Amino acid sequence: EAGVTQFPSHSVIEKGQTVTLRCDPISGHDNLYWYRRVMGKEIKFLLHFVKESKQDESGMPNNRFLAERTGGTYSTLKVQPAELEDSGVYFCASSQVRQYTQYFGPGTRLTVL
Amino acid sequence: KNEVEQSPQNLTAQEGEFITINCSYSVGISALHWLQQHPGGGIVSLFMLSSGKKKHGRLIATINIQEKHSSLHITASHPRDSAVYICGGQTSGSRLTFGEGTQLTVNP
Repeated sequence: EAGVTQFPSHSVIEKGQTVTLRCDPISGHDNLYWYRRVMGKEIKFLLHFVKESKQDESGMPNNRFLAERTGGTYSTLKVQPAELEDSGVYFCASSQVRQYTQYFGPGTRLTVL
Repeated sequence: KNEVEQSPQNLTAQEGEFITINCSYSVGISALHWLQQHPGGGIVSLFMLSSGKKKHGRLIATINIQEKHSSLHITASHPRDSAVYICGGQTSGSRLTFGEGTQLTVNP
């Protein structure tokens, strides 16, 4: 069974550019989470999808971040325009409905110059 | 003050030593997760606990709900165990709140 996958693994962009991160959850997992780890800080929750609906987006830092999960399968997280403080590792996780265990993807390392 | 606190922040051990990493939380949680992040950045889920103790190979995780405390133990540590170990409490809804992580280095 394939795990959670994320693309790209690394992205280096300049301040002001746009970047789109993608997460493919484990097939059949309705819950999809985005987290972020900024250098030197703890991993922080960004948002939670249940199928295609945003269940909790209280962790989204500002309106430069837009997450979508059309069709309830894969999800994208777009940062537009990117700022220096957006640099970090963005993780995606998925889980089945009513299951506690979240399966994490390998992360996307974003560097904004 | 973070809702989930880990100690120590950094830990260096010699190969073969018994290692303990601690995690305390100040909020009600439904489950406690232990994750491992290797130097390449990817995260692996090690354990999910809601009570008692779990064991997988040389790794043991325990949780004391009354004391709001969990520990991760590594027996017979090996250099390949070197990584960042992160605990996370499953709080409101199903989101995870994480500690800052413990950087473990095991020297040969």
